[in-house]
Formats: sequence, C-alpha cells, structure tokens
Amino acid sequence: NAGVTQTPKFQVLKTGQSMTLQCAQDMNHEYMSWYRQDPGMGLRLIHYSVGAGITDQGEVPNGYNVSRSTTEDFPLRLLSAAPSQTSVYFCASQTGFRQPQHFGDGTRLSIL
Amino acid sequence: GESVGLHLPTLSVQEGDNSIINCAYSNSASDYFIWYKQESGKGPQFIIDIRSNMDKRQGQRVTVLLNKTVKHLSLQIAATQPGDSAVYFCAEIDSGGYQKVTFGIGTKLQVIP
Repeated sequence: NAGVTQTPKFQVLKTGQSMTLQCAQDMNHEYMSWYRQDPGMGLRLIHYSVGAGITDQGEVPNGYNVSRSTTEDFPLRLLSAAPSQTSVYFCASQTGFRQPQHFGDGTRLSIL
Repeated sequence: GESVGLHLPTLSVQEGDNSIINCAYSNSASDYFIWYKQESGKGPQFIIDIRSNMDKRQGQRVTVLLNKTVKHLSLQIAATQPGDSAVYFCAEIDSGGYQKVTFGIGTKLQVIP
C-alpha cells in the first residue's frame, strides 16, 4: 500500500515556465488537498477536492490550477512559475470530512 | 521537514525523559485538533487527534491534552526515543467548514542520546 505518492521529488524551474506536480493515492479517498510549506509558516491550503470532478480554492490559490478526473489522481499545475512559488508542496488525502490527512513526501520546487 | 527548520522553537530532551510540546490556538470555533509529526525530508504523519468534547486522549506513548478555556493543546511523549526526533505541529479544524484547517508552525524535538 503506497499511500500518497508525489512526483517529482525535486524540480528547478525558470521564471515563466509551467509544470504539473503529480499526486496519486491508492486508498480510495474522496478528499484530496494541496498545500505549500514555507519557512516560518504553517501549511497553507492551495486547492482541494471532495471527489472526482469537484474542486475548490483554498487559502492561496493564485497561480495554480487543479483538476480531478479520477478518485486516485489530483495534479497541481503551475501556470507561469514565479520565484514566490519556491516552496515545498504536499498533497494529502483523507477518508472524509474532518478526518486526519495522509500526506505524501512532498515536491521541493525552486523557481529561478 | 528541513524547509521549516528556520525560526522553529526547539525542545531538547534526554533519551528516556518525557517530552511536552505545546500549541496555542486562536479560533474559538475550532472543535477538532490533530497532532502531526514531520521527519526531515518527509511529509507530515498523523500521531493523535482529539475532539472538543474531550480533555484528554491517550495513544501509544503519546497523550494529548486540550484546555479549551485558554485555547491550549499539548502533546506528551513518554520515554522519548531518538526516533521521536522530528518537527511536531498541531492542526485546528473549524467546526463550520470542510477545509478550515489551520496548521501551526511546529516545534522541533531533538532527542539527546
């Protein structure tokens, strides 16, 4: 049971480039979320999904897009990378409303 | 994780001693609380949770205490081991919304062998 798998683990981009961070879970969880983690701050919610075909914005959604075509996958797209998006990104899933989250091991992203 | 190592409060304890990690929360509407452990280079890992209708909950070597009067949460780790070295942070979940989760910055626990 792999849990939540994130790829890539590391990525360096140039300003203006786009890319997709992948997230897959094999626990059949309906709820999935994307967070960013920055020094001196708690995890901040970017986007979340309560099921296939349903997504919504979190606290810091600007510059990011998501889609949820299947229960398993929840990719995060950076449309035009900016240095302010340098961060560690975590994907999480949970069984349902107000339950503990299962996190992947993150993608460490640097924007030059 | 290493990316949040800067400016983190640090707690150093001797192996075998008990550890107490504290968390203050601000939202009076929060009614569900979770403690996570994050090892260097890894994602957060669920440790224990507590709902606001309880004051105390125990797990294996861990106890969470909730004081709603002063909006304070603590995590107690008994007989701390080197494998407990990590960043620990709390999360508070608002009673009103699905993803109104606020994560704390965390405390770095260093276990001295």
